[in-house]
Amino acid sequence: GQNIDQPTEMTATEGAIVQINCTYQTSGFNGLFWYQQHAGEAPTFLSYNVLDGLEEKGRFSSFLSRSKGYSYLLLKELQMKDSASYLCAVMGREGSQGNLIFGKGTKLSVKP
Amino acid sequence: GAVVSQHPSRVICKSGTSVKIECRSLDFQATTMFWYRQFPKQSLMLMATSNEGSKATYEQGVEKDKFLINHASLTLSTLTVTSAHPEDSSFYICSATPGFGDFRYNEQFFGPGTRLTVL
Repeated sequence: GQNIDQPTEMTATEGAIVQINCTYQTSGFNGLFWYQQHAGEAPTFLSYNVLDGLEEKGRFSSFLSRSKGYSYLLLKELQMKDSASYLCAVMGREGSQGNLIFGKGTKLSVKP
Repeated sequence: GAVVSQHPSRVICKSGTSVKIECRSLDFQATTMFWYRQFPKQSLMLMATSNEGSKATYEQGVEKDKFLINHASLTLSTLTVTSAHPEDSSFYICSATPGFGDFRYNEQFFGPGTRLTVL
């Protein structure tokens, strides 16, 4: 079956660093995405990994280990506006369809 | 660029009525559009994949006769919830794939979502 696990909630302090983990078991793998979603809004793209290793983009970094079925999103220099849900999603099927399987999301609360 | 809109943003209807939700790609042609549903504190669940000019592909467990999808043009897809019931109350989100961008994948751009409440 398809399964994507990530913690339900996390709390961190403004200016700190937080790591959000994601483990997955899917039939097929064509890349892993991280999205940010504020309450009642659509997800916005943060990062994409298809090869093992770390992808860095400003304050956000994402890591992938395909052999372990594991990824994490690292947020540095946390700001209050980073309070949101972070969704891990795997593109399962190959081809142009590009359908995504989402985890339930991790609700991050950034406190002063 | 790559903006996707949805209309309406919120809708409240009586049980038994039908509701149509529109998804538009505003500045690009979408070869594929996806419809997701998200219940509170749950993940986005893919309902169906829609390609312009062809029948939608529904995910297992999604009733195609209840959730009618029409992808009439490269910029518009509609989802009609027929004979809506309270259990259909959810957040419906569409996304569109332009077929350009990073060659490694077809990036999905998400609409702002439609909050459906069925009384």
